[in-house]
Amino acid sequence: NAGVMQNPRHLVRRRGQEARLRCSPMKGHSHVYWYRQLPEEGLKFMVYLQKENIIDESGMPKERFSAEFPKEGPSILRIQQVVRGDSAAYFCASSPGPGRNSNQPQHFGDGTRLSIL
Amino acid sequence: DQQVKQNSPSLSVQEGRISILNCDYTNSMFDYFLWYKKYPAEGPTFLISISSIKDKNEDGRFTVFLNKSAKHLSLHIVPSQPGDSAVYFCAASARYGNKLVFGAGTILRVKS
Repeated sequence: NAGVMQNPRHLVRRRGQEARLRCSPMKGHSHVYWYRQLPEEGLKFMVYLQKENIIDESGMPKERFSAEFPKEGPSILRIQQVVRGDSAAYFCASSPGPGRNSNQPQHFGDGTRLSIL
Repeated sequence: DQQVKQNSPSLSVQEGRISILNCDYTNSMFDYFLWYKKYPAEGPTFLISISSIKDKNEDGRFTVFLNKSAKHLSLHIVPSQPGDSAVYFCAASARYGNKLVFGAGTILRVKS
C-alpha cells in the first residue's frame, strides 16, 4: 500500500496520559499535514511540516500538543496530559509540496480515532 | 469564523440523476479548491480540484464549477450511482501547498 499510513487506527487513553499518533507519508511526499475532526464537524487544520521543519502550526493548541517530522521515520503528533475534549479523529495528509508535481492534492490516511476515558 | 460553508447538511438523489453539491467561501485569498469524498471510518479521498484561473474542471462523471465573483463552487455528479453515497467535503487553500480549510460536509444519499 503506497498510501498515507497512520497508526494506530484506534487509541484509547485515560485522562492525563500521553497520546502518540504516527503518520508515514506517501512515497515521494515530503510534506505532511495534520487535521482534527470533531463529531459532526469538518476537518480542522492543525500543523504543516516538512522534514525537520514546522512550516505552519497556526492550528495547534498552544499547550499539550506538539508535532515533529524527523529526517528518518514517521511524523508524530503528540498530545500530553490528554483531556476528554481531545477525543476526535486525527487525520494526516501528505503532498509532494509546492514546486514539485505542481497541483498534486493532499492525500489522506484513514485516521486515528482517539478516545479519552 | 467559517471561511468555507456547505449550507446543505444532506442531499438525497435518485440513481441516474444529477447530484449538485454547493460550497461558498468568504476568503478572497483562496485560489485552489478541492472536493473530497469520505466514507465512515476512512480518510477523505480526493475527487477533483480547480484553481482560480479556471471556471470549470471535468473528470469523468465529476465536474466542478467555480464562480469567483460569487465566491461559490459546486460539484456536479452525473449520473449519480449508489456507490457515490458518502460525505462530500469542499476545501480551499490560499496558494497550493498551504493548509486546507474545510467545509462541514454534505451527506449525499443516492437511492436505487
